[in-house]
Amino acid sequence: DAGITQSPRHKVTETGTPVTLRCHQTENHRYMYWYRQDPGHGLRLIHYSYGVKDTDKGEVSDGYSVSRSKTEDFLLTLESATSSQTSVYFCAISESGEPQHFGDGTRLSIL
Amino acid sequence: GENVEQHPSTLSVQEGDSAVIKCTYSDSASNYFPWYKQELGKRPQLIIDIRSNVGEKKDQRIAVTLNKTAKHFSLHITETQPEDSAVYFCAVQPGAGSYQLTFGKGTKLSVIP
Repeated sequence: DAGITQSPRHKVTETGTPVTLRCHQTENHRYMYWYRQDPGHGLRLIHYSYGVKDTDKGEVSDGYSVSRSKTEDFLLTLESATSSQTSVYFCAISESGEPQHFGDGTRLSIL
Repeated sequence: GENVEQHPSTLSVQEGDSAVIKCTYSDSASNYFPWYKQELGKRPQLIIDIRSNVGEKKDQRIAVTLNKTAKHFSLHITETQPEDSAVYFCAVQPGAGSYQLTFGKGTKLSVIP
C-alpha cells in the first residue's frame, strides 16, 4: 500500500454541521488530491495541493475547503454539510510525473 | 476542461474471453493515460498506464493502446478470470506540467465462470 491513511473511515452526520476529513501520508509526496465518488459519476476532483499551503480548486469544489499546513496532512472541510455531499471521499497522492495512488476512502453520510 | 468518455458502462464476458474498454478524450495536449481497477468497497488501484510518446504497453494479460490522432485509448484484458471482475476507470492527465486527472465514469466488468 502507498502509505496513505484516511480518517475517519465512516461518518454519519446531520445537515448543517461542519465536517473535516483527514488524509495523512508517509511518502513525502508533493501532490495530494481529494476526490468524491458517486454512482454514475466516477471520480471527480474536489481540490488538490501542490505543496505546503499551495492548493487549488478542482471540478467540484463548491461547498468544500482544504488546508495543507504540513507535507503529510491534507484536510478537507465541509463548512456546512448538505445531503448532496453524501459520498465516498478518496484521497490520493503523487510525486511529480508519477502515478496517483489512493487511500482507502471515507464513507460520509449526511442526513 | 478535459472531457473523458468511457464505453461500455457494463461488460459481461465468459471466463477465458477477452475484454476491451475504450476511452476518448478531448484535449490533444493530454500526455498521460492511466487505468485503475476498483473492486467493490475498495480503493482504486493502478493497473497499467501509458504516456503519449508510446503507442502500446503490455503487462502480462493486460495491454493499453493509444491513438493520439483519434484521441482515444483502450484497455485490453486477455484470458479473463473471475478475479478480473471489478469496475475499471480510465483517466487522462493534461500536459503543461499539470498532474490532475480527469476520470471516465467507469466500466463494470463481470467475468462469468
